[in-house]
Amino acid sequence: DSGVTQTPKHLITATGQRVTLRCSPRSGDLSVYWYQQSLDQGLQFLIQYYNGEERAKGNILERFSAQQFPDLHSELNLSSLELGDSALYFCASSARGGRGYTFGSGTRLTVV
Amino acid sequence: ILNVEQSPQSLHVQEGDSTNFTCSFPSSNFYALHWYRWETAKSPEALFVMTLNGDEKKKGRISATLNTKEGYSYLYIKGSQPEDSATYLCAFMERGKTSYDKVIFGPGTSLSVIP
Repeated sequence: DSGVTQTPKHLITATGQRVTLRCSPRSGDLSVYWYQQSLDQGLQFLIQYYNGEERAKGNILERFSAQQFPDLHSELNLSSLELGDSALYFCASSARGGRGYTFGSGTRLTVV
Repeated sequence: ILNVEQSPQSLHVQEGDSTNFTCSFPSSNFYALHWYRWETAKSPEALFVMTLNGDEKKKGRISATLNTKEGYSYLYIKGSQPEDSATYLCAFMERGKTSYDKVIFGPGTSLSVIP
């Protein structure tokens, strides 16, 4: 157990639907990062939050949004899902930028 | 567009061989370079966080060096074992206006160690 908890582990949903992925960071970590890994692309950075505030944005689609709550857990909301959104979604946390990440085990999203 | 490259893309070695691979990254706005070990169906495991030019880090049989001026890092594995088979990812962290910067991952080097 890395200390970063992601739920659910697997999710199967239909096109056009909306899902929410949840991440609880390692105790004491203030930064949460979301990544998407699909078959044809490597690990793609989506978005970073630090202590409730958005800090950096990567290749995140407008249909996707995220937030970090006062208890530091984060949620990634994916809406109007398309087949191409099927991927592994990883969450990582860190105490400070540049000090290394701890990754969660990922959520595998399958859009059918 | 920032680009992080890794070579080779894949590597097959015999058990007991030593091996190394390369991560190339932009030489400007460097903040940190991370190495991760990623086994199939698991999430990446942090190996090293390197922040200073000339850094050398070691963890068991695995070591890494860093050259920020020319933009590369080497990862070495001495006496490869089958359990070393994994994808090795490097990740470049860009210095921005704050300490909390985005990370760009390389495509990884897939290592297979043949018993």
